[in-house]
Amino acid sequence: DADVTQTPRNRITKTGKRIMLECSQTKGHDRMYWYRQDPGLGLRLIYYSFDVKDINKGEISDGYSVSRQAQAKFSLSLESAIPNQTALYFCATSDLTSGDRADTQYFGPGTRLTVL
Amino acid sequence: AQSVTQLGSHVSVSEGALVLLRCNYSSSVPPYLFWYVQYPNQGLQLLLKYTSAATLVKGINGFEAEFKKSETSFHLTKPSAHMSDAAEYFCAVITYSGAGSYQLTFGKGTKLSVIP
Repeated sequence: DADVTQTPRNRITKTGKRIMLECSQTKGHDRMYWYRQDPGLGLRLIYYSFDVKDINKGEISDGYSVSRQAQAKFSLSLESAIPNQTALYFCATSDLTSGDRADTQYFGPGTRLTVL
Repeated sequence: AQSVTQLGSHVSVSEGALVLLRCNYSSSVPPYLFWYVQYPNQGLQLLLKYTSAATLVKGINGFEAEFKKSETSFHLTKPSAHMSDAAEYFCAVITYSGAGSYQLTFGKGTKLSVIP
């Protein structure tokens, strides 16, 4: 089984709809992240969470919200989807307490979201 | 803020030829640096990382990268390209912001094509 899973893997929706993307991990990591990837722009950080009670905005948080339901679960919501939110979304995890000074991030397989 | 620049959005090499993917970073403090690879329709996979232990870092699949402080570079190389190396490669750097928090900043990616 994959360590970091994302559901759904693909989603097509319409402008104005509320969408939730879910991320679960079995790595036991305390830190979780949401990124979006757009062609030619690399990955940009939307939100991150260093533990269950900690939520932080990233570079491009406008139009998004998150919920950290448990150490293993981190959900991303688009309250009212718009076409320029069409992108590939990645969840990632890391664990500074493991002794990894670089706090290496491990990525899920991604969710391809299309907003019509 | 720190940043990452990947020179060349597309690189083509012949099978068996040297692979060189360029990455330069800006940083006022010693950074942690990463190379990730993304195969078509997959998530990001860690290739290698620099954590100041050694300037020449060996990764998976025969890749390596050398940290050169004087040139602020962390170029990725592989002596002999294989068809399976065709993918998109991302350089990334840990960016430190106030209050002990930080995030991973990605370059825009370099798509590697391998010609038979």
